[in-house]
Amino acid sequence: QQPVQSPQAVILREGEDAVINCSSSKALYSVHWYRQKHGEAPVFLMILLKGGEQKGHEKISASFNEKKQQSSLYLTASQLSYSGTYFCGTEIRAGGTSYGKLTFGQGTILTVHP
Amino acid sequence: DAGVIQSPRHEVTEMGQEVTLRCKPISGHDYLFWYRQTMMRGLELLIYFNNNVPIDDSGMPEDRFSAKMPNASFSTLKIQPSEPRDSAVYFCASSPVPGYGYTFGSGTRLTVV
Repeated sequence: QQPVQSPQAVILREGEDAVINCSSSKALYSVHWYRQKHGEAPVFLMILLKGGEQKGHEKISASFNEKKQQSSLYLTASQLSYSGTYFCGTEIRAGGTSYGKLTFGQGTILTVHP
Repeated sequence: DAGVIQSPRHEVTEMGQEVTLRCKPISGHDYLFWYRQTMMRGLELLIYFNNNVPIDDSGMPEDRFSAKMPNASFSTLKIQPSEPRDSAVYFCASSPVPGYGYTFGSGTRLTVV
C-alpha cells in the first residue's frame, strides 16, 4: 500500500528542472507532498485532491492523474534551498474509513549544486 | 502559533527501560498522528487520533507500544520495555481536518542501547 516514488535520487545544478513521481496501486483520494531537510521535520508543500486542479507553489507545482493514480511534483529553475528529501503521502478513503491517514513513499533525495 | 511541540528532542535509554514521548498539537487541530522514521522503513504511521479517540493503531509494532490522548492538547507514546530496534526518530503531526496538510513536530530522536 506504500506509494512508489521515482527517481530515488536526483542531482541538479542551480536553475535546472526536475520531476518527481509518485504512484499508487490503490485508488487515491488525495496526494500530499512534503520536503524534509536533514535533521529536520517534514514540511508540507501542497495537497492535490481527487477531482482537483493542478497546484502551484512559487516554482514548485504538482499534478494528479486520477486514472493512473499518479502524482508528479515539478521543480523549475531549482535553487540551492530546494535540496532535501521529498516525500509523497497518499490518502485512501475506502469504505469511509481512514480519513486523513497518510501513507508515505520512500522519498526522493534532491541535491542542488551551485 | 508555536506549532506542534514534542519532547524530549533526544532520548538515550538502556534496553528494557520505559520511554515516554510527548506531543502537544496545534490548538484546534482535531487529528493527531504518531510516525516513526528510520532509514530502512522510512516514515511509518504508528497510530492516529481524531478528537482524542484512537482511530487506527494498526501500525503499532507490538504490545510494547501504547499511545494515549487524554485531552485535545496532549498525547503520549510509551514504549515498555524498550529494545535497540526501537531506535528511530519519532514524529508527532497534527491536522485540522482531512484534506489539509500535516504540521510535524521537530521529532524525538530515540536511541536504545
